[in-house]
Amino acid sequence: AQSVTQLDSHVSVSEGTPVLLRCNYSSSYSPSLFWYVQHPNKGLQLLLKYTSAATLVKGINGFEAEFKKSETSFHLTKPSAHMSDAAEYFCVVSDRFNAGNMLTFGGGTRLMVKP
Amino acid sequence: GAGVSQSPSNKVTEKGKDVELRCDPISGHTALYWYRQSLGQGLEFLIYFQGNSAPDKSGLPSDRFSAERTGGSVSTLTIQRTQQEDSAVYLCASSPRIDQPQHFGDGTRLSIL
Repeated sequence: AQSVTQLDSHVSVSEGTPVLLRCNYSSSYSPSLFWYVQHPNKGLQLLLKYTSAATLVKGINGFEAEFKKSETSFHLTKPSAHMSDAAEYFCVVSDRFNAGNMLTFGGGTRLMVKP
Repeated sequence: GAGVSQSPSNKVTEKGKDVELRCDPISGHTALYWYRQSLGQGLEFLIYFQGNSAPDKSGLPSDRFSAERTGGSVSTLTIQRTQQEDSAVYLCASSPRIDQPQHFGDGTRLSIL
């Protein structure tokens, strides 16, 4: 079985400061890992994905994440927050042995950016 | 547009009524998924279609929920005899193949009175 734990339900940062959203996963097999972002009343947009290539993954809008197998972590970072980054972020795991790579979601982290 | 399209965007109905939610995936995407997003349960997988194969229904919460996909394209999620706990946002996603990232629609917000 696969699962995801997002360690913070809310994170607040000031504009221009770094962002760190934490994620730990559990999977019986070699997982694929994703970060999705959801703005209010919108669907989910893919930020980045890890699929067993490079452990440091770069995504859109300046976000990146590092896969650390020894720590079973996949934390999301950004060097400098922008007001438009305020949204809910989901860490997601999938593996090919579950219902067509169906996604298992973490509980989400709401990112607030203060001016 | 070229994205996943869901309709209606909002649906309000009375308890006990049946509802149908529609998903139009990205053209050429063979895999289609339904998820539910609710306050108490977060985001949960409901059902998965791959082409014209029989769907994987392992995430459906009860036999009041069903879905079909016609011609390997448009999908309809049906909830019979709706209950208040069915209130949620229902999200549809599609992908070109099961090992490719899923693209999500904006969802249908369902409210049961």
